[in-house]
Amino acid sequence: IVMTQSPATLSVSPGERVTLSCRASQSVSSNLAWYQQKPGQAPRLLIYGASTRATGIPARFSGSGSGTEFTLTISSLQSEDFAVYYCQQYNNWPPFTFGPGTKVDIK
Amino acid sequence: QVHLVESGGGVVQPGRSPRLSCAASGFTFSTYDMHWVRQAPGKGLEWVAVISYDGSSRYYVDSVKGRFTISRDNSKNTLHLQMNILEPEDTAVYYCAKEGVDYGGNSGYFDYWGQGTLVTVSS
Repeated sequence: IVMTQSPATLSVSPGERVTLSCRASQSVSSNLAWYQQKPGQAPRLLIYGASTRATGIPARFSGSGSGTEFTLTISSLQSEDFAVYYCQQYNNWPPFTFGPGTKVDIK
Repeated sequence: QVHLVESGGGVVQPGRSPRLSCAASGFTFSTYDMHWVRQAPGKGLEWVAVISYDGSSRYYVDSVKGRFTISRDNSKNTLHLQMNILEPEDTAVYYCAKEGVDYGGNSGYFDYWGQGTLVTVSS
């Protein structure tokens, strides 16, 4: 399954609402996760099951969608949220597949 | 507190066969599937391999099949990745990751990651 993400880069100001998109080449049901990765750090799980926040993830992060279309929303971007965001499907494997990522940087 | 610590990376000549290790703590290692995920410099994430909780099942991405072997030692809470016939394209940070399982029993996402170990394939 090929995962695509849009946009590739998003320039935003702190406090803005951010919407990131992820699309699967075929249905992955709700078996979709989102990760955040900051420079020099390992990825961190944000969302699994398309919409369930992982332990310790702030409520400003939310996920939605099913099938082939998914969205990660950050309701009010904080300075610590500037990072690269990846989606990953785990419905049909192997292989487990990631999207190419969306970089959220400062406007 | 879950803790995953990789080791074994470094500069490796093409064709050499390093073994990566991942020391796990803070959870019952023997009850979770474990993965290796890699990231080439400046690139995205690529899943490499998975091993079931008891070591009975293993799967690989096509690009490493026949060259890499994932294994685990549940008595030592350790995950390994034996890398054979290395190619320059294998240059990457290699992360070990614990597989998460939700309340409905669905699994396949990665809820904890190590800090990664860099493998650079170069002559």
